[in-house]
Amino acid sequence: SAVISQKPSRDICQRGTSLTIQCQVDSQVTMMFWYRQQPGQSLTLIATANQGSEATYESGFVIDKFPISRPNLTFSTLTVSNMSPEDSSIYLCSVGDRGMNEAFFGQGTRLTVV
Amino acid sequence: GQQVMQIPQYQHVQEGEDFTTYCNSSTTLSNIQWYKQRPGGHPVFLIQLVKSGEVKKQKRLTFQFGEAKKNSSLHITATQTTDVGTYFCAGHHAGNNRKLIWGLGTSLAVNP
Repeated sequence: SAVISQKPSRDICQRGTSLTIQCQVDSQVTMMFWYRQQPGQSLTLIATANQGSEATYESGFVIDKFPISRPNLTFSTLTVSNMSPEDSSIYLCSVGDRGMNEAFFGQGTRLTVV
Repeated sequence: GQQVMQIPQYQHVQEGEDFTTYCNSSTTLSNIQWYKQRPGGHPVFLIQLVKSGEVKKQKRLTFQFGEAKKNSSLHITATQTTDVGTYFCAGHHAGNNRKLIWGLGTSLAVNP
C-alpha cells in the first residue's frame, strides 16, 4: 500500500486566482493521477501525471487550466488556474502501479471558489 | 465511449436487510475493482476481480465478476450502520491498463 499526503485539505479562493495542490507519496510509484469529484458524483479523471514529461490530459481538460508537475516518482502538483465558481469541487490525487493494481487516494482537497 | 453503468444510484435499507449494487460495462473489462467512500472521505479499495465468473467474499460482502467480464455485483448481507457510504465499481478496459473507468456509484443509507 501507499500513504499519500495531499495538501491543502480545503481552501476557499477568490475567482481569478490560482491554487496549487500537492500530493506526496511515501514510496516511489509508477502512476499518479488527478481526479475531480463533484459532491455526490463519481470520479472524473483530469490527467495522468507523467514523471519527467508532460501530463496526459483527458477530454475536456487542458494544460493551461490544470497545469501539472511531476518532478519525481513520489511527488506531483495540480494547479487550478484562473478559478471560477464552476471549479468548486473535490480534487483527489491517486497513485497506482503499472499493471492494473488497486488505486490509493489522498484525502482530497475541497475547493470552494467565491 | 467506454462506460460503466452502475445501479441503483441510491438505496435506503433497514439495518439487517441485504443490499446489492450492479455494474455493467459496454465493453469487456480486464478487471473490476470495488471501492467504498464514506461521507466526507476518499475512495478506499475493497477488492479486485480478474477472472471470468470469479466470486470473492469478505465477511458479509460478496463480489462477483460476470462470465463475459462485462458486469459485476456487490452484495452485502445483513447491512449494518457501518456500511453507510458510496460504493463504486471501476475497471480497466481490455487493452488499456493505464486508467480506471469508474461507475457512477451507489449511495447506501442504513436506518438503524
